[in-house]
Amino acid sequence: GQNIDQPTEMTATEGAIVQINCTYQTSGFNGLFWYQQHAGEAPTFLSYNVLDGLEEKGRFSSFLSRSKGYSYLLLKELQMKDSASYLCAVREAGGSYIPTFGRGTSLIVHP
Amino acid sequence: KAGVTQTPRYLIKTRGQQVTLSCSPISGHRSVSWYQQTPGQGLQFLFEYFSETQRNKGNFPGRFSGRQFSNSRSEMNVSTLELGDSALYLCASNEGQGDEAFFGQGTRLTVV
Repeated sequence: GQNIDQPTEMTATEGAIVQINCTYQTSGFNGLFWYQQHAGEAPTFLSYNVLDGLEEKGRFSSFLSRSKGYSYLLLKELQMKDSASYLCAVREAGGSYIPTFGRGTSLIVHP
Repeated sequence: KAGVTQTPRYLIKTRGQQVTLSCSPISGHRSVSWYQQTPGQGLQFLFEYFSETQRNKGNFPGRFSGRQFSNSRSEMNVSTLELGDSALYLCASNEGQGDEAFFGQGTRLTVV
């Protein structure tokens, strides 16, 4: 089984940088995903990490350390529209490749 | 390319009834997964279908079932509804064992 932990809620100021952490425990690792979900909408894919290091995609970056069971999503130059829930999901090696989702971090960006 | 389509968007049912939800995946995607999302439990995996076969199953009771048709469209059924089944039911599709899943808008089920 897997245990995925991420903060329930975070707040940040428009224009700032915010880092959303995700820690996981799994018997075997085969990739970590980040999704964004605005209230009342479908989750949308942000990033996928399977090797250690930083993946940058515009204002969003995702980092993975497999030895520490740790990932973070970094959002730069925050905009009001970044207010959303951010879901961390981990895929376990061997067997089902279906990822297990954390409960999500609700990010509130204020002016 | 059209996205994942779920119908209906909203549904109100009474305890004991059954319900069927529908999901049309992105054209060409053969894998369809279903999730239940609640504030307390987050996103929980129900089951996954690929080429009309259930390939993976989560830890939900037998009241929750599904199927997939030859055109990859999928339905999920919940029988003998309970108040606790009130949730957002999300469907996601991908090409096979693809990395990125594309989610539909979901069906908001309320059981009264």
